[in-house]
Amino acid sequence: DAGITQSPRHKVTETGTPVTLRCHQTENHRYMYWYRQDPGHGLRLIHYSYGVKDTDKGEVSDGYSVSRSKTEDFLLTLESATSSQTSVYFCAISESYTLAKNIQYFGAGTRLSVL
Amino acid sequence: DAKTTQPPSMDCAEGRAANLPCNHSTISGNEYVYWYRQIHSQGPQYIIHGLKNNETNEMASLIITEDRKSSTLILPHATLRDTAVYYCILAGNEKLTFGTGTRLTIIP
Repeated sequence: DAGITQSPRHKVTETGTPVTLRCHQTENHRYMYWYRQDPGHGLRLIHYSYGVKDTDKGEVSDGYSVSRSKTEDFLLTLESATSSQTSVYFCAISESYTLAKNIQYFGAGTRLSVL
Repeated sequence: DAKTTQPPSMDCAEGRAANLPCNHSTISGNEYVYWYRQIHSQGPQYIIHGLKNNETNEMASLIITEDRKSSTLILPHATLRDTAVYYCILAGNEKLTFGTGTRLTIIP
């Protein structure tokens, strides 16, 4: 998985609790992304980062926050988890931002269940 | 980003070429066509991409029509390990917008 580690791989939590998912990369790629995947929706972008402390929202960012204090780590936080956030979460990285070479490499995913 | 249309599912016999179509009739001049696949329970995997010329790499070939309104991903000799969901994506900025893709099943 191109030097990408997501942790935890599986998590069960209760509604209203905070949850943080971690994405760690060893490739020194500048760009990092968080997606969620739900049946019938494909992958949807939550947030992305284009450098340390530089982040922006994706199409489904409500209820999520992110932080990137180091190049290698991108954290996704659910401040108060809800059942609608039960999903599989994927982290991705890319070296280039350009249209000609925006090749994203994905982690193995984190399966989150909010009860 | 412009949208793509893919058949929801396809079958292909093992050893044969798998041809996966994608329609993108509203593609813009600067949008690239990217293909990814996702094997069950794994993260998506990059396959190939192109702008207007046909492209080939060790995994597949990408054929883009002259008017760029459609493309075809070709897996030349499909194996059982090619069973996956294949996504055709138009990239006009830094974001990739995944649709629901084509579920390709390779039949032994």
